[in-house]
Amino acid sequence: DAGVIQSPRHEVTEMGQEVTLRCKPISGHNSLFWYRQTMMRGLELLIYFNNNVPIDDSGMPEDRFSAKMPNASFSTLKIQPSEPRDSAVYFCASSPGTGDEKLFFGSGTQLSVL
Amino acid sequence: GESVGLHLPTLSVQEGDNSIINCAYSNSASDYFIWYKQESGKGPQFIIDIRSNMDKRQGQRVTVLLNKTVKHLSLQIAATQPGDSAVYFCAENRGNQGGKLIFGQGTELSVKP
Repeated sequence: DAGVIQSPRHEVTEMGQEVTLRCKPISGHNSLFWYRQTMMRGLELLIYFNNNVPIDDSGMPEDRFSAKMPNASFSTLKIQPSEPRDSAVYFCASSPGTGDEKLFFGSGTQLSVL
Repeated sequence: GESVGLHLPTLSVQEGDNSIINCAYSNSASDYFIWYKQESGKGPQFIIDIRSNMDKRQGQRVTVLLNKTVKHLSLQIAATQPGDSAVYFCAENRGNQGGKLIFGQGTELSVKP
């Protein structure tokens, strides 16, 4: 199994630009999570999906952030417009979603907004 | 407020010694706990988990202890190796919140050869 796959690995953009982060969960997993990691705030849950449906988006910072999961094998996290304070590592994780809450993480996307 | 926190932000040990990393949680409704290891430039990696109906669980060189009375969780690493150097996070699942995991701030473990 290839594990959770995220792209791009690194993203450098200018303030005001749109940023799209991508995630492919482990095949067969029903739950998908987006986390953001910074030194100041640690690992924060932004949003999670179960069977492609958003369950809890209370961690999404503001309307500039949006996430979609059009099918079981793909999800995007979009920031529009991006700001320097959005700079962080964004992780996608998936879990079987069948009562086993163990999360499997991707390698993350390092986002730098200049 | 409710939180998952760690007593020590950094821990330095000698190679071959045992390491103990601690974590406090405040929500008595939490029923599932996980320890993750994160190496530089990588995502968190699952180490071991424990449910609230247990007080101890052992893996390969690792043991997790859960004390529900004082809401305390610990990770013990036996015969610590240089490859164990990483940041360790505890995470809790707060029972009624589906698969949502809340992470603590992390402890950096440094192993001296």
